[in-house]
Amino acid sequence: KQEVTQIPAALSVPEGENLVLNCSFTDSAIYNLQWFRQDPGKGLTSLLLIQSSQREQTSGRLNASLDKSSGRSTLYIAASQPGDSATYLCAVRRNGMIYNQGGKLIFGQGTELSVKP
Amino acid sequence: GAVVSQHPSRVICKSGTSVKIECRSLDFQATTMFWYRQFPKQSLMLMATSNEGSKATYEQGVEKDKFLINHASLTLSTLTVTSAHPEDSSFYICSAGQLYNSPLHFGNGTRLTVT
Repeated sequence: KQEVTQIPAALSVPEGENLVLNCSFTDSAIYNLQWFRQDPGKGLTSLLLIQSSQREQTSGRLNASLDKSSGRSTLYIAASQPGDSATYLCAVRRNGMIYNQGGKLIFGQGTELSVKP
Repeated sequence: GAVVSQHPSRVICKSGTSVKIECRSLDFQATTMFWYRQFPKQSLMLMATSNEGSKATYEQGVEKDKFLINHASLTLSTLTVTSAHPEDSSFYICSAGQLYNSPLHFGNGTRLTVT
């Protein structure tokens, strides 16, 4: 059974710092991994999607890496800003030949990030 | 980008009544939509997979008769919480995707409070 763990559960940093969020998964046979942002009381915003064949993806100040063999992904946020404060969730999609089976996402518990001005 | 609209954003209902939540894909066709439930400070738990034109697939422990799912078109799935009880109070989120290797997009969620 796939389990996804995110460390740390909460993180508070001063504005301008670079930071790394960690995500680990127990079954390396994943189809892809997705990082999301969730603001309080809101839905999820997709940040980055990494296919199983890829090593990393970048979008602006965000960089996500994937090491399937070790079951790890990291989300790197450069020059953090107060607007980055939110909960960050990683989720893995398991292998599957049929979309609706392979489409199930298994989520981690999230890292609650607070960036202080 | 792809947009998923969820309605209503908040609903308060009395115990014993039923509540319907809609999930729409606005600019793409979604053959599959997913319904999640989230408790405070916890992650999302998949409740069911909704397939257009067929029965939904429920996760273990989720009552089919309580959480009715209908996916009547390629752009609309509905979740009906029947005979709601206070323990059904939660944050419900839907998601949808186009292709098997594309990102899943999420609605803004529905905060259900049962009094």
